[in-house]
Order: sequence, then structure tokens, then C-alpha cells
Amino acid sequence: GAVVSQHPSWVICKSGTSVKIECRSLDFQATTMFWYRQFPKQSLMLMATSNEGSKATYEQGVEKDKFLINHASLTLSTLTVTSAHPEDSSFYICSAISHYGYTFGSGTRLTVV
Amino acid sequence: QKEVEQNSGPLSVPEGAIASLNCTYSDRGSQSFFWYRQYSGKSPELIMSIYSNGDKEDGRFTAQLNKASQYVSLLIRDSQPSDSATYLCAVRWNSGNTPLVFGKGTRLSVIA
Repeated sequence: GAVVSQHPSWVICKSGTSVKIECRSLDFQATTMFWYRQFPKQSLMLMATSNEGSKATYEQGVEKDKFLINHASLTLSTLTVTSAHPEDSSFYICSAISHYGYTFGSGTRLTVV
Repeated sequence: QKEVEQNSGPLSVPEGAIASLNCTYSDRGSQSFFWYRQYSGKSPELIMSIYSNGDKEDGRFTAQLNKASQYVSLLIRDSQPSDSATYLCAVRWNSGNTPLVFGKGTRLSVIA
């Protein structure tokens, strides 16, 4: 089946620093990658949609200058949380559409201290 | 705004019983419907997808869709303690490269 590899699985960073999360499609070409955020006991909330070679589309209320998305190739999309603050602590999940349907990364637990 | 609504629970059922999970959605033109299971700290796992009105069965799971009522449900027969998780209903509003919109999820607890 299709696999999206997401790294790191967890990260702890200091307030004010930046963190990069990578999602790679291992056996298919992901022209589109969806980025979600999930707070404790909440659902997955779509943050942005990235398309290979073009600018990402952000959902209302998501700061595009804070959450930088790069989708430079058909197999790699990255989300960089810039100047992270404790309120950015969350579970971040990427998802792409393969020939098997929606495929999710394993998620990244970000803790900002 | 497109919304997916679920009862957050928790829903507690005894082992061996039928668990019934419900979901409503706001957009009558929605195309596809999905049920995911999510364990704490993990990514969602697809249980079933359903596209047409009626029932769809897969092992112990049955998805039911009623587009006129904008309602989709998931039945879990012979519930097991390992079924204890959060169940997420997700809707795809139209075809193409569109994201899934998720409900808040229903926490299911199967009591041994």
C-alpha cells in the first residue's frame, strides 16, 4: 500500500525556535499534501493544502508566515513552525491522496517549552 | 461553513455488544464518507469508506449512509476491548484533490 513517512515522530523545542516537519511519499507521487493539526481531545483541523511547485493554500485563521509549507518535489512536503510558542504544541499530521485513497503520515508530536 | 458533527462521548458498551456511532454533515452535495479509528497519539486508521446510500459491511463493521438525512453511522458488532479508541467521521466534499473534513470524534470504551 501507499506510505507517507513523517519525521520526526516527536520533538521538543524551546520557545522562539523553529521546527521542521517532513512528509515523504515513499511509493507514489504526492502532487497534493494536506497538513492537519490536532489538539488534545480535539479533531484533526486542516491547516493548509500544499501543491507541488506552487504556494500553499492556508485555512482561515492559520498564519502563513508562521507555518511555512514547502512542496518542492512530488515526494516531499515540509512544514516549518517558525518562532514556536507553547500554544503551538500539538500533534501535526500530513496526508496525501494515493491510488489507495487518503494516506496519512504517522504524525509529529510537537512540544514547545 | 462545511461541518461534520459527532457526539464526543464517551460511549461505553460491554464486550460483545453492538456499538453504534453516528455522524451528521452539513453539505448535502458531499461525495464520500469515511470512518477512521484513532488510538491516542497515533495517526488515524481507515476502517471503512461509503459512497452510496444504504449499508456497507466489512467483517464486524457496518457503515450506513442516508444522504437525504445527511447522516452516516458505523456499527461495530461483537465489540472487543481492543476496539476502544476514538472514531472519527470524515467527509470529502467533492471529487479531486480535496481534503477530508473531520468530526471531533467519538470516544468508545468497550468494557470487558
